[in-house]
Amino acid sequence: RKEVEQDPGPFNVPEGATVAFNCTYSNSASQSFFWYRQDCRKEPKLLMSVYSSGNEDGRFTAQLNRASQYISLLIRDSKLSDSATYLCVVPRSGSGAGSYQLTFGKGTKLSVIP
Amino acid sequence: DTGVSQDPRHKITKRGQNVTFRCDPISEHNRLYWYRQTLGQGPEFLTYFQNEAQLEKSRLLSDRFSAERPKGSFSTLEIQRTEQGDSAMYLCASSLGPTDTQYFGPGTRLTVL
Repeated sequence: RKEVEQDPGPFNVPEGATVAFNCTYSNSASQSFFWYRQDCRKEPKLLMSVYSSGNEDGRFTAQLNRASQYISLLIRDSKLSDSATYLCVVPRSGSGAGSYQLTFGKGTKLSVIP
Repeated sequence: DTGVSQDPRHKITKRGQNVTFRCDPISEHNRLYWYRQTLGQGPEFLTYFQNEAQLEKSRLLSDRFSAERPKGSFSTLEIQRTEQGDSAMYLCASSLGPTDTQYFGPGTRLTVL
């Protein structure tokens, strides 16, 4: 299994639709997870952090299933402004003490259509 | 603007030339990271600094790449003898501490002809 693997996409959905992305990870020791959003030709920005079973922020819900090693992101009532690439991110410890680096999935592209 | 800044935003160079990028992290952020992102891929970790100390380098960072953070503030990433495969977006991120949120700069897009 790859370190972080995401749905291939792209997802083209109409405004108002509910869309869900899945992400699987290989490191069973991982404790925290993130979803970053990246607009076209822009930098990634943190969307949500997931530390326990899940997290909800308005229209966005992230869920974590440790037994199956997957994380999901649910977007309800999609807006045109939600169009972006969503990156699943799993931190991992590197070789040195205190080392902490982010491992990104390839991302899933979402296009919300009027 | 108190976010992470990077300079230049775009760089076009010919194969074999050397290039240097600069990153200014958020003030007081001790950790500074460099990532590389190619089309259709997520960012890949290259290296990171804790203050002025470079603590880890990815195996992606060949001998042609060198990074510095001389005073624990801004950082530079130099690529010597550029190759076409070096064409990518080079992203810098900073965080207050090891496990704190990483904030990304706008990136430097490198094109090697």
